[in-house]
Amino acid sequence: DAGITQSPRHKVTETGTPVTLRCHQTENHRYMYWYRQDPGHGLRLIHYSYGVKDTDKGEVSDGYSVSRSKTEDFLLTLESATSSQTSVYFCAISESRGTALAQGHSGANVLTFGAGSRLTVL
Amino acid sequence: QQQVKQSPQSLIVQKGGISIINCAYENTAFDYFPWYQQFPGKGPALLIAIRPDVSEKKEGRFTISFNKSAKQFSLHIMDSQPGDSATYFCAASIDYTDKLIFGTGTRLQVFP
Repeated sequence: DAGITQSPRHKVTETGTPVTLRCHQTENHRYMYWYRQDPGHGLRLIHYSYGVKDTDKGEVSDGYSVSRSKTEDFLLTLESATSSQTSVYFCAISESRGTALAQGHSGANVLTFGAGSRLTVL
Repeated sequence: QQQVKQSPQSLIVQKGGISIINCAYENTAFDYFPWYQQFPGKGPALLIAIRPDVSEKKEGRFTISFNKSAKQFSLHIMDSQPGDSATYFCAASIDYTDKLIFGTGTRLQVFP
């Protein structure tokens, strides 16, 4: 998990309250992602960012918003938490495919994941 | 809609045996197929990956077999060890994007 810090690591909250999860990277990677992990569903992409202030939706974005004001920080916000958002949230980073190619890598996006944030919504 | 289907959901193997996990996909635009390994309490980490221009890639005890015509790929772990006990995710990346689509995961338990 070197280079990626997620906070908080554990949080218990009540339905209807706002929650913000933070992802901080020291690798200066362009791409950042938020995934949620649930039994039987694997890892599902919530939102991702391909640069400062450039974000896009993933497959399960409803109820979530993100912001990226600096290269190193990617915030995930649940405006009004629901019990269905109880999950383990993972942040990931990657270089762009073009950067990887320029550095002699295969050009495929290799994701480096953080340690996860376990959120429980009561 | 699950773009990458993974099976089995769980797998129990004796030490020294072969572990096999299978994945299937529909989107022919996928051009990169990695496998990630996740230990309890940790984030997933890249284990091995393959591109569709080869049918097999081997790294130590881990091998990916790829069947482009069947749109299937699988992970083989030879001489499975208790330290291999983890959850394994297959994934696929759509051409010219940087998003990975993951399978649902397989929990592998290797008993001594």
